[in-house]
Amino acid sequence: KNQVEQSPQSLIILEGKNCTLQCNYTVSPFSNLRWYKQDTGRGPVSLTIMTFSENTKSNGRYTATLDADTKQSSLHITASQLSDSASYICVVSPDILTGGGNKLTFGTGTQLKVEL
Amino acid sequence: NAGVTQTPKFRILKIGQSMTLQCTQDMNHNYMYWYRQDPGMGLKLIYYSVGAGITDKGEVPNGYNVSRSTTEDFPLRLELAAPSQTSVYFCATAEVFHYEQYFGPGTRLTVT
Repeated sequence: KNQVEQSPQSLIILEGKNCTLQCNYTVSPFSNLRWYKQDTGRGPVSLTIMTFSENTKSNGRYTATLDADTKQSSLHITASQLSDSASYICVVSPDILTGGGNKLTFGTGTQLKVEL
Repeated sequence: NAGVTQTPKFRILKIGQSMTLQCTQDMNHNYMYWYRQDPGMGLKLIYYSVGAGITDKGEVPNGYNVSRSTTEDFPLRLELAAPSQTSVYFCATAEVFHYEQYFGPGTRLTVT
């Protein structure tokens, strides 16, 4: 069964500090992995997308890494701001063309709170 | 560009009532999706569509129906609402199947 597990479940950090969120997946074969940011009461917004051949992708203060061999991804947030307080969701797409199925698998998210 | 819009934002239904959640997009994307998000759980796919007139079931389709008569609209119909359908519902679109998705603001539904 395809699964995406994220850790930690929740995290509190001080403004200005860095943090790293983890995503482990079992989806195979997989096509791409995405990180979304979801503010409370809003829909998810895409931060990064990586295909299986990419190791890293940045979007401002957000940097995602991918190790397709160990099936792990991380999202690193640099110099955190209060506005980074949100849920961060990892999503893995299967490789439809090679029989991976057509169902996206979503993680349950890491709830990040940035405090003064 | 409004992107993806959803109406209503909030709704309370009584058990057994029916309703339609509306989703409209102005991005001209072929692919559209309906998800539900329960507290502490990942998003679950209810139905998706690859174009006007074509829909398919997702992971949790029971109790729901969809139609796609135009590229822009993808309504989700709840028949005989049950408390288990209390959730936040998100509509999303994509230009490429299962690639970057653009989500609407969500509809918070409570069934009592």
